[in-house]
Amino acid sequence: EPEVTQTPSHQVTQMGQEVILRCVPISNHLYFYWYRQILGQKVEFLVSFYNNEISEKSEIFDDQFSVERPDGSNFTLKIRSTKLEDSAMYFCATRGDSYEQYFGPGTRLTVT
Amino acid sequence: AQSVTQPDIHITVSEGASLELRCNYSYGATPYLFWYVQSPGQGLQLLLKYFSGDTLVQGIKGFEAEFKRSQSSFNLRKPSVHWSDAAEYFCAVGARDTGRRALTFGSGTRLQVQP
Repeated sequence: EPEVTQTPSHQVTQMGQEVILRCVPISNHLYFYWYRQILGQKVEFLVSFYNNEISEKSEIFDDQFSVERPDGSNFTLKIRSTKLEDSAMYFCATRGDSYEQYFGPGTRLTVT
Repeated sequence: AQSVTQPDIHITVSEGASLELRCNYSYGATPYLFWYVQSPGQGLQLLLKYFSGDTLVQGIKGFEAEFKRSQSSFNLRKPSVHWSDAAEYFCAVGARDTGRRALTFGSGTRLQVQP
């Protein structure tokens, strides 16, 4: 069964550093999403991406964040200058023509 | 704006007992409704979904959920819980009529299963 994959599974970085989180969507899916889950809290929407542009973003997704699909297969989330409060589990999700979203296993980001 | 409430933060049941996890949503029309399960350190797995039609939907692992429009609820049920069902369960809604497809999640219910 096709799966969404994410790399790395765990990323430790120092405050102020840039990080790039990677996602490989299910092959025929065209809608991509990033969510995050701070430890012990609910899953929160960050951004959605379709047809090579952002279709929607939340108030969390400020200028420190960016997304792109650099090569037609990967879907990336970049955090330009990480802060302590960016520590969270980041989930990529993708969907096809139906409405259910399939989530990857997540990347745990730890900012020290 | 849509919102989701899962009133039970933590539930403990005995193995073999029945289970019901509550979910209430706030939305102007009928949303798309989902239940996801998250095992410790894992991602979110889709258990079941409701889009339209029969209000009782069947999912994987023996779970079912019932959509009740009058109560704005989408409760998850299982007749007999197994120890492997211990996990966190999230209810989520998606907008039907605005084109917004981002999901709004509830805070989750942590299920503990006693032997």
